[in-house]
Amino acid sequence: NAGVTQTPKFRILKIGQSMTLQCTQDMNHNYMYWYRQDPGMGLKLIYYSVGAGITDKGEVPNGYNVSRSTTEDFPLRLELAAPSQTSVYFCASSYPPPARAYEQYFGPGTRLTVT
Amino acid sequence: GESVGLHLPTLSVQEGDNSIINCAYSNSASDYFIWYKQESGKGPQFIIDIRSNMDKRQGQRVTVLLNKTVKHLSLQIAATQPGDSAVYFCAEKRKGAGSYQLTFGKGTKLSVIP
Repeated sequence: NAGVTQTPKFRILKIGQSMTLQCTQDMNHNYMYWYRQDPGMGLKLIYYSVGAGITDKGEVPNGYNVSRSTTEDFPLRLELAAPSQTSVYFCASSYPPPARAYEQYFGPGTRLTVT
Repeated sequence: GESVGLHLPTLSVQEGDNSIINCAYSNSASDYFIWYKQESGKGPQFIIDIRSNMDKRQGQRVTVLLNKTVKHLSLQIAATQPGDSAVYFCAEKRKGAGSYQLTFGKGTKLSVIP
């Protein structure tokens, strides 16, 4: 199993540009998550999904959108990139409750710089 | 790699010694705690978890201690190895919250001196 994969690994965007961060998992996990990690800070939840077709906002959703058309894929869309979105983005997945739902498996991250 | 290690508390330990990494959590209603390890350039990796009805849990070379009185969590790594060098952070879940509602700490950077 590849686990959770993310593309791209690095990206530089100009202010106002848009992009999609890709996330795929091959563990048949129902739950998927997007986090951002700023230097010296804890992970902040952007969006999550409990299954195909179901998504909801996390703690910091502004400026982002998601979709979940399949169990495997959970892309994160940035519209009108801003410098405040410079961060490292992690996608994660987990089993649904009660089976180890809190053990989240993380991808390697995408480092995004907006200038 | 990512700059997640900047501005974090750092713990330097001699190879072979034991490491103790501490975490203070915020909510007395939290009922589940997790320790993650994040190596440079990689995503966080689950290490060990503990429920609030336990004081101690042991894994392979790692032990987590929970002190609910002072809302403190610690991760002990026995016989620390160079491969243990990473940022370690704890996460807590409030009672009744969903799996998506983990609150993550900022982390501690562990440096192992060969």
